[in-house]
Amino acid sequence: QKEVEQDPGPLSVPEGAIVSLNCTYSNSAFQYFMWYRQYSRKGPELLMYTYSSGNKEDGRFTAQVDKSSKYISLFIRDSQPSDSATYLCALGTSYGKLTFGQGTILTVHP
Amino acid sequence: DADVTQTPRNRITKTGKRIMLECSQTKGHDRMYWYRQDPGLGLRLIYYSFDVKDINKGEISDGYSVSRQAQAKFSLSLESAIPNQTALYFCATSDLGGGESSNEQFFGPGTRLTVL
Repeated sequence: QKEVEQDPGPLSVPEGAIVSLNCTYSNSAFQYFMWYRQYSRKGPELLMYTYSSGNKEDGRFTAQVDKSSKYISLFIRDSQPSDSATYLCALGTSYGKLTFGQGTILTVHP
Repeated sequence: DADVTQTPRNRITKTGKRIMLECSQTKGHDRMYWYRQDPGLGLRLIYYSFDVKDINKGEISDGYSVSRQAQAKFSLSLESAIPNQTALYFCATSDLGGGESSNEQFFGPGTRLTVL
């Protein structure tokens, strides 16, 4: 069993839809929870960063962490074509290493 | 200018050839990482280095070696390339400063390697 599982999709939604991306994990040592966004032919870039259970909001993006269920989510409200990308969850321990999910390919069509 | 640069950006080579991928950073970070990305598998860690004298194997180090020439430079070598090493390779850096900032990793643009 992989330490981090992410539904690879692909996910295709119309513009304006609410998007939900999810990861589950098995290692209780994970303390940091991140979402990276990767556009085609680019390196991943950090989108959201949380380290506690609960919700963190940044504009149209909300990151949610449930440590008791070992489940993290990223919600995108009012999705735009410019949100089309691969989204990767990344979980870290205190040792400075990250474990990535498989990535979900998202397409938002006009 | 980009903070993390990788050369070459694209490379096609033949089975058995030795290949070196290079990474340079101007962020002043101590920690550097090499990942490979394959469709459906996400990013997998090959090697990482927390300072110039520190080299550690990652999840999939077999068939690869690395060299940390300086704080700013970290090279990945494939001594004898094979077709299943065809992938997108990323270099990343992070700060040693502690706290939240030491966990964010900054990625280069990637090298697309094809082994025929």
